[in-house]
Amino acid sequence: EAQVTQNPRYLITVTGKKLTVTCSQNMNHEYMSWYRQDPGLGLRQIYYSMNVEVTDKGDVPEGYKVSRKEKRNFPLILESPSPNQTSLYFCASSAFTGGLPRGYTFGSGTRLTVV
Amino acid sequence: SQQGEEDPQALSIQEGENATMNCSYKTSINNLQWYRQNSGRGLVHLILIRSNEREKHSGRLRVTLDTSKKSSSLLITASRAADTASYFCATVSGNTPLVFGKGTRLSVIA
Repeated sequence: EAQVTQNPRYLITVTGKKLTVTCSQNMNHEYMSWYRQDPGLGLRQIYYSMNVEVTDKGDVPEGYKVSRKEKRNFPLILESPSPNQTSLYFCASSAFTGGLPRGYTFGSGTRLTVV
Repeated sequence: SQQGEEDPQALSIQEGENATMNCSYKTSINNLQWYRQNSGRGLVHLILIRSNEREKHSGRLRVTLDTSKKSSSLLITASRAADTASYFCATVSGNTPLVFGKGTRLSVIA
């Protein structure tokens, strides 16, 4: 089944403790992206990647890191999480047609709480 | 950079009625996409309409695009309780990635 898999689904952590949220897709998509969703603010893009070893900042990259060493994986790293990073996180991927992204496939989300 | 903005923010209708949601955006686009999100779940892609298209259908969904007004609408006909969800529009402009609006919360009452 074509899908984007995020892990974990739920995570409670303490301020300053490094964590990684994994994202993997099995559709050979070039494009991958991370979003965070907060009430009243909608979806905001954190980082995106057009292909292996190519990453770019989105609208809210502060406090986050990503890497794209393989086409299928795009982990999100929080080096020193803070309470304002408590949010619902989504990974998404897409193929390209004519240089433009097609419809995105989203993961099920990771609900992160930083205390 | 929030590009799309949905209207209304919330909509409540009876089962069987039609639901219309609107999306306005600011800059020229290559395509516009609509997504559905059930509470707390991942977004699901519904339909993509290109800038040179004016209308597109998919089952009970009808999307229109007016590039002169920089607006799009999503019509769900004969709504069902299962259509209860948040609906987002998202735009693609040049090389910038998909930018989402804040969504319309649709409640369909049985």
